[in-house]
Amino acid sequence: TQLLEQSPQFLSIQEGENLTVYCNSSSVFSSLQWYRQEPGEGPVLLVTVVTGGEVKKLKRLTFQFGDARKDSSLHITAAQPGDTGLYLCAGGAGTASKLTFGTGTRLQVTL
Amino acid sequence: DAGITQSPRHKVTETGTPVTLRCHQTENHRYMYWYRQDPGHGLRLIHYSYGVKDTDKGEVSDGYSVSRSKTEDFLLTLESATSSQTSVYFCALSGRAFETQYFGPGTRLLVL
Repeated sequence: TQLLEQSPQFLSIQEGENLTVYCNSSSVFSSLQWYRQEPGEGPVLLVTVVTGGEVKKLKRLTFQFGDARKDSSLHITAAQPGDTGLYLCAGGAGTASKLTFGTGTRLQVTL
Repeated sequence: DAGITQSPRHKVTETGTPVTLRCHQTENHRYMYWYRQDPGHGLRLIHYSYGVKDTDKGEVSDGYSVSRSKTEDFLLTLESATSSQTSVYFCALSGRAFETQYFGPGTRLLVL
């Protein structure tokens, strides 16, 4: 069974601070997706990374896929209250393979 | 938005009663999924469909059945609800198998 562990589980920071969320596994994934989920809503895809070592930037968010494709990180620069939510990583093991979701990191950004 | 709705959005039921949750899409996506989300477990796949009348089990399928009689609707049935099935249920869809998934707003189910 493939497992994805996210850390930290909870993170409370002030507006303007930087943070990094980690997604780790002992298994190799062919792709890694990051989702953000707000209270009372379903997850929304932020990014998909597919190449080991790949870095993608989405405004203040930077996503990296590990060289060995077993881990990923999400870095947020100058966090804003609108970044508050549950961040989920999800790994795919190949074409048409089921996604394995991490347990999530709950981020709270306060003024 | 991927044009996906779930009904009901909230439901309280008693142990032993049957429950059916509905997922409806307007996007004509081939693949549809049912997940449950519980604290400490993340999202876990219950069942998925890869076409009309084509379904397969996920990792937590025991106690659940599904049906897909037309492209736009995917039903999840709890034949005899148990308290362990109290959860938030999400439907998702995608154009290709397990690629970018679009999630519905969720159904919060409480089994007493």
